Amino acid sequence: GAGVSQTPSNKVTEKGKYVELRCDPISGHTALYWYRQSLGQGPEFLIYFQGTGAADDSGLPNDRFFAVRPEGSVSTLKIQRTERGDSAVYLCASSFQLTSYEQYFGPGTRLTVT
Amino acid sequence: AQSVAQPEDQVNVAEGNPLTVKCTYSVSGNPYLFWYVQYPNRGLQFLLKYITGDNLVKGSYGFEAEFNKSQTSFHLKKPSALVSDSALYFCAVRDVIDSGGYNKLIFGAGTRLAVHP
Repeated sequence: GAGVSQTPSNKVTEKGKYVELRCDPISGHTALYWYRQSLGQGPEFLIYFQGTGAADDSGLPNDRFFAVRPEGSVSTLKIQRTERGDSAVYLCASSFQLTSYEQYFGPGTRLTVT
Repeated sequence: AQSVAQPEDQVNVAEGNPLTVKCTYSVSGNPYLFWYVQYPNRGLQFLLKYITGDNLVKGSYGFEAEFNKSQTSFHLKKPSALVSDSALYFCAVRDVIDSGGYNKLIFGAGTRLAVHP
């Protein structure tokens, strides 16, 4: 079946602009995670959704970052007033349920802020 | 705080030789450990996990990992490397303290495995 998809695959934006990154999890997966991967680093946790609610947003770096999952499926990560330091690959992962150990990752969105 | 360390930025091995990618961890309580692999332009793929039970865990594509509590290590191994194994490998630990039962992962920085023909 279809895996996790993320759009766009690449996004170049100017400093100060607003961006939205989209994640389509595997159908039926209730748990959804966002991670950020900077160059040469491993992914860092941003936020976790169980269903429609953000159960843990402790990894969001500041209030410019926000994520939603209004119908418990597709999620959108929103970044306001982008800064050059936001440049990274943003990864989305889903798993069948809260306690499932295996996470299925999307290919990521590479965000470049100029 | 929970953490994992991958001491090698890159591992080089000849095809057909055994390979080891190292990982050490620091956690409070019992560790939940994972290995993921990242191929170019593709998402991370789950390889294997250690939750409890046998210290030798078998995973996808012929990989296995050995959990060693006394050395706080979880090294990834394969008896005979293939050129197609060349990729970026990440060790991860579940953040048990902050995690409300879900699998918030803390990743290492990654190790690039290069298998030469």
